[in-house]
Amino acid sequence: KNEVEQSPQNLTAQEGEFITINCSYSVGISALHWLQQHPGGGIVSLFMLSSGKKKHGRLIATINIQEKHSSLHITASHPRDSAVYICAVRRSGAGSYQLTFGKGTKLSVIP
Amino acid sequence: DVKVTQSSRYLVKRTGEKVFLECVQDMDHENMFWYRQDPGLGLRLIYFSYDVKMKEKGDIPEGYSVSREKKERFSLILESASTNQTSMYLCASRGQGHWGAFFGQGTRLTVV
Repeated sequence: KNEVEQSPQNLTAQEGEFITINCSYSVGISALHWLQQHPGGGIVSLFMLSSGKKKHGRLIATINIQEKHSSLHITASHPRDSAVYICAVRRSGAGSYQLTFGKGTKLSVIP
Repeated sequence: DVKVTQSSRYLVKRTGEKVFLECVQDMDHENMFWYRQDPGLGLRLIYFSYDVKMKEKGDIPEGYSVSREKKERFSLILESASTNQTSMYLCASRGQGHWGAFFGQGTRLTVV
């Protein structure tokens, strides 16, 4: 079983829809990242969370440490949001150099 | 802004060639990482380095080696490229005590 699971794997939405991508993990963590990867490969860090909730523009990320779960929400989605969204965790303790990644959620927003 | 720069965006090499992928960061970060990304498998760690001349194997080091002679530069080496090493390669860096990682733009390597 993967230590970081994302759902859904693929998501197609109409422009304007509210979108939720989920991430569950099974290890102790010190931080969780949400990353965005556009076609062409470059990765951008959207959020780094260790507790609670963060908001940046139309993007909202939440984390529940007790339930080992995080969500990324996109309000009023737009075609330019089409990308792969990746959840990554930094483990606490031994192995904390590394990030462990989910397999990504491919989002397509249709005009 | 942190900049992590990979030397090539696209690369085509022949089977058996020695391939160097270069990564440079400009923020004096101690930790640097090489990942490969394949459809359905996500990002997997090949090697990482936490200091100059220090290296640690990641999850899939076979067929790869690395070099960190200077703090800002982390090189990934394919000693004898094979077709199963066709992939997207991503470099990342992170400062000591920081838990944010910064990624390069990726190198799409095709081995023919």
